[in-house]
Parts: sequence; structure tokens; C-alpha cells
Amino acid sequence: GEDVEQSLFLSVREGDSSVINCTYTDSSSTYLYWYKQEPGAGLQLLTYIFSNMDMKQDQRLTVLLNKKDKHLSLRIADTQTGDSAIYFCAETGGYNKLIFGAGTRLAVHP
Amino acid sequence: DAGITQSPRYKITETGRQVTLMCHQTWSHSYMFWYRQDLGHGLRLIYYSAAADITDKGEVSDGYVVSRSKTENFPLTLESATRSQTSVYFCATRGEGGTYEQYFGPGTRLTVT
Repeated sequence: GEDVEQSLFLSVREGDSSVINCTYTDSSSTYLYWYKQEPGAGLQLLTYIFSNMDMKQDQRLTVLLNKKDKHLSLRIADTQTGDSAIYFCAETGGYNKLIFGAGTRLAVHP
Repeated sequence: DAGITQSPRYKITETGRQVTLMCHQTWSHSYMFWYRQDLGHGLRLIYYSAAADITDKGEVSDGYVVSRSKTENFPLTLESATRSQTSVYFCATRGEGGTYEQYFGPGTRLTVT
């Protein structure tokens, strides 16, 4: 079945790197996505990776994809307080829909 | 450029009442979606629409009705609200490129008492 799993909470110190992990189940997913949700707001697309790629870098964000293990990760370098939010992993789920994980709450402390 | 707007942003209603949540987009994207967000569940798809007058059910469609007479609007109606429908509701559109990413509205927080 379709299921995307994420750890629920991550706490990091300001300036450190954050790594948010996700596992997915549909090996036929074409794209995988990371979204960010700040308090009281909708989801904002951060980045996505095509399924035939291993890595994608975009400024402070690095996405790693291990298709064999169906594992996706998001690394945020030099984490700042403004990065505190909930991060959602999602995969394409057929018929143009996205399947979301439950979200990882990232807390950044001084 | 407003993108996606949702109204109302907050709504309190009573059990058994009908309530309609509005979604409007300015991009003329073909696909539109309704999700609900509940603690521990992430986002779950309620309904989606591929174009005007074409709609289909998602995984949690019971108790909800949608319509799409115009490309830019995709209202979601709770026919007889129940407490289990207390949630945050998000509308989204899908970009016209081939990467299937979705763009989300700000959400409507609905409380059913």
C-alpha cells in the first residue's frame, strides 16, 4: 500500500546541520518532494527530486535519494531559527495525487 | 498575483449544519485538490478535480461534496457537519509542468461543535 513515514520531531542547535528522513513505499513514484509548513500557514514547496537522481542541492538544502531502500532525506546546512517548521515528505501516488508523510517538526534552539 | 485564496480562514459551526469552504485560484491550473490536515495523519486527500466538471474522490471523501463549474473555483461542502470533521482544510493546485508539484492555499481552520 501507499505509506510515507517520517520521524515526528527533530531538535537541533542553531548553526548545526539538520537531517530529516523519510521512507516511502511506491517504487514507481516519479518525483519526491519536500514541503515546509510554518505555523498557521499552508505548505510551501521547498524542493523536489526526480526518481532517477541520487542527489539534488539547492543552496542550503541537499536532498538524497536511495531508491533501493526507498529512503529520502533532506539536509539543511547552517540551520537557523527561521527554519523551525514542520517538514513534509511526499511522493507521487498515481492519478496526479501526492501522498504525504505525517510531517517532522523541526525545532531550532540557540 | 493572489495565487490561491481560501475563505473563510476560520469557521465555527454546529453539528448537523451544512458548511461550504471556498477555494479560488488565479493561475488557471487544471488540477485542484482538497486535503484535510489532522495531527498525526499529515495531509489526506478528500477530493480532486482534473478540470471543470471533472471531479473524483480521494481517500477520505465520505461526508463531503465538491463541484467545479469554473476552472478557478473549487468549493468543498460538508453536507451535515460532524465533530470528526474538525480539521484544517487545504486547497491546492497542480502546476502545468511535468513535475506534478502542488501549490497550497493558506488553509481554513474548521471547528464543529
